[in-house]
Amino acid sequence: KAGVTQTPRYLIKTRGQQVTLSCSPISGHRSVSWYQQTPGQGLQFLFEYFSETQRNKGNFPGRFSGRQFSNSRSEMNVSTLELGDSALYLCASSRDLAKNIQYFGAGTRLSVL
Amino acid sequence: QQQVKQSPQSLIVQKGGISIINCAYENTAFDYFPWYQQFPGKGPALLIAIRPDVSEKKEGRFTISFNKSAKQFSLHIMDSQPGDSATYFCAARYNTDKLIFGTGTRLQVFP
Repeated sequence: KAGVTQTPRYLIKTRGQQVTLSCSPISGHRSVSWYQQTPGQGLQFLFEYFSETQRNKGNFPGRFSGRQFSNSRSEMNVSTLELGDSALYLCASSRDLAKNIQYFGAGTRLSVL
Repeated sequence: QQQVKQSPQSLIVQKGGISIINCAYENTAFDYFPWYQQFPGKGPALLIAIRPDVSEKKEGRFTISFNKSAKQFSLHIMDSQPGDSATYFCAARYNTDKLIFGTGTRLQVFP
């Protein structure tokens, strides 16, 4: 069974640009959560999608947005990039909302110059 | 307070020693406490988890100790091995579907 796939693995952008990251969850999983990981801050929750609906949202500005498609694949978008957006962005999928276990992808490393 | 405080930030242990990572919380509504392990270049993976009605859970060399009255829980790694070198995150769940992570502990085990 394939794991969670995130693309691309690495991304370099400049300030002011926008970026779209993609996540393909494990087959059969309907919940997709996104996290931002930075040194010292740990895993900061961005948002969660379940059956194409945003169910939970963290404390990030509106520049961060996401969506989920009917096949459960998800994308997150960051507009007007800032230097502080440089981070590892992780996607996690789970079968349902209970999060007894989340399966993480390897992440997308975003560098903003 | 939806926060989980994790310590230490980094830990260096000799091979064969015991690694201990601590987490503390305030919200008594948390109902599930997992630990995740992350190797460099990989995403976190569930290592072990406990519910608040249990004081200890052991899986191989990994043990969670849970102190409900003190609102603390900890991960103990017995006979630590170089292959255990990774970043460890504690987490806590509330409202059935919301998960809060600690800030992580980088463990290095030297031979």
